[in-house]
Amino acid sequence: DTAVSQTPKYLVTQMGNDKSIKCEQNLGHDTMYWYKQDSKKFLKIMFSYNNKELIINETVPNRFSPKSPDKAHLNLHINSLELGDSAVYFCASSQDLLGQVRNTIYFGEGSWLTVV
Amino acid sequence: AQSVTQPDIHITVSEGASLELRCNYSYGATPYLFWYVQSPGQGLQLLLKYFSGDTLVQGIKGFEAEFKRSQSSFNLRKPSVHWSDAAEYFCAVGSSNTGKLIFGQGTTLQVKP
Repeated sequence: DTAVSQTPKYLVTQMGNDKSIKCEQNLGHDTMYWYKQDSKKFLKIMFSYNNKELIINETVPNRFSPKSPDKAHLNLHINSLELGDSAVYFCASSQDLLGQVRNTIYFGEGSWLTVV
Repeated sequence: AQSVTQPDIHITVSEGASLELRCNYSYGATPYLFWYVQSPGQGLQLLLKYFSGDTLVQGIKGFEAEFKRSQSSFNLRKPSVHWSDAAEYFCAVGSSNTGKLIFGQGTTLQVKP
């Protein structure tokens, strides 16, 4: 069983479209994250949620709207997609809010988004 | 501000040779330090981590890393590389204040037969 699963794995879409990436974790963790890995491989945190509450928002454009219906799910919705949004988006989870620095953070396999 | 630098963008080693991947960090307090590996088309997997205590930490897959406070370094080593080790390697520093992980830009490891 995959601990952190995200769908779709690959997504090609046109500029201006709206798309969503879904993420689910079956680890019973309280905290979930979205990371973005750009074309230069830089991996940077976008959002973190703890028990469905937004904790970290790293000045991401408001075209990006995370939604956490419950603590096992954290979906990423992107409006009006731009070329620069092309990247790999990783979902992740950890036991608690400081879990990513004290314990282990578990990553999904990534969603490759290409905007054309 | 916290930062992580991996000076080597790309490294090629022969199978069976030893490996050292460099990582330098900038952090005001005692850092939490990590090495992650990303295989092609996969997510990140934790190799090892340092919080405190013994400065030489052992990880999975035969990897180890040494924390050197005087050099602000946390280099990853492996005595004998296997072809399956070819991947992207990320060093990261964590802040217990902000709960954030800051990643380096990664080092691509290629293994020659």
